Amino acid sequence: TQLLEQSPQFLSIQEGENLTVYCNSSSVFSSLQWYRQEPGEGPVLLVTVVTGGEVKKLKRLTFQFGDARKDSSLHITAAQTGDTGLYLCAGASGTYKYIFGTGTRLKVLA
Amino acid sequence: SAVISQKPSRDICQRGTSLTIQCQVDSQVTMMFWYRQQPGQSLTLIATANQGSEATYESGFVIDKFPISRPNLTFSTLTVSNMSPEDSSIYLCSVNRGTDTQYFGPGTRLTVL
Repeated sequence: TQLLEQSPQFLSIQEGENLTVYCNSSSVFSSLQWYRQEPGEGPVLLVTVVTGGEVKKLKRLTFQFGDARKDSSLHITAAQTGDTGLYLCAGASGTYKYIFGTGTRLKVLA
Repeated sequence: SAVISQKPSRDICQRGTSLTIQCQVDSQVTMMFWYRQQPGQSLTLIATANQGSEATYESGFVIDKFPISRPNLTFSTLTVSNMSPEDSSIYLCSVNRGTDTQYFGPGTRLTVL
């Protein structure tokens, strides 16, 4: 069974601080996605990483895919209250199925 | 992108009853997916719905409990049958665009009393 463990599970930080969320598995994924979900809404795709070692930047967010394509990280610089939400990683399992991580609930305090 | 709507957005139901959730996409798609998100948890795939064939269910989910219809390329329904409080969850439909892009509907928040 493929599992994606995220850490930390919960994170509460002050505005302006930096943070990193980790997504780890013993399985290899062909690609990995990061989503953010806000209350009352479905997850919204932030980024897809495909190549081992790949780094993608989206404004203050930096995503990295591990060399072996088993793990990924999301780093947020100078967090803002608008970054508050549930962050989910999802690994591609087969051509169209995704295994979702356990989730990291982030709260950024003003 | 894809615009996905779901109905109802939320419902409170009595134990033993059934609820049908609708998912409408703004363009034709081959596969539609149904997920469950239990309170405070991540997403679990229930089934994949292809137009013109029976849905494919993931381990732990069965057709009798979660019957799915897919009458055309833009619409699908998921029924939660004979509900119990353990079925209280957010139910989400999603579609793929290309190989690496997945779009989700806003979800249906179900509470079973």
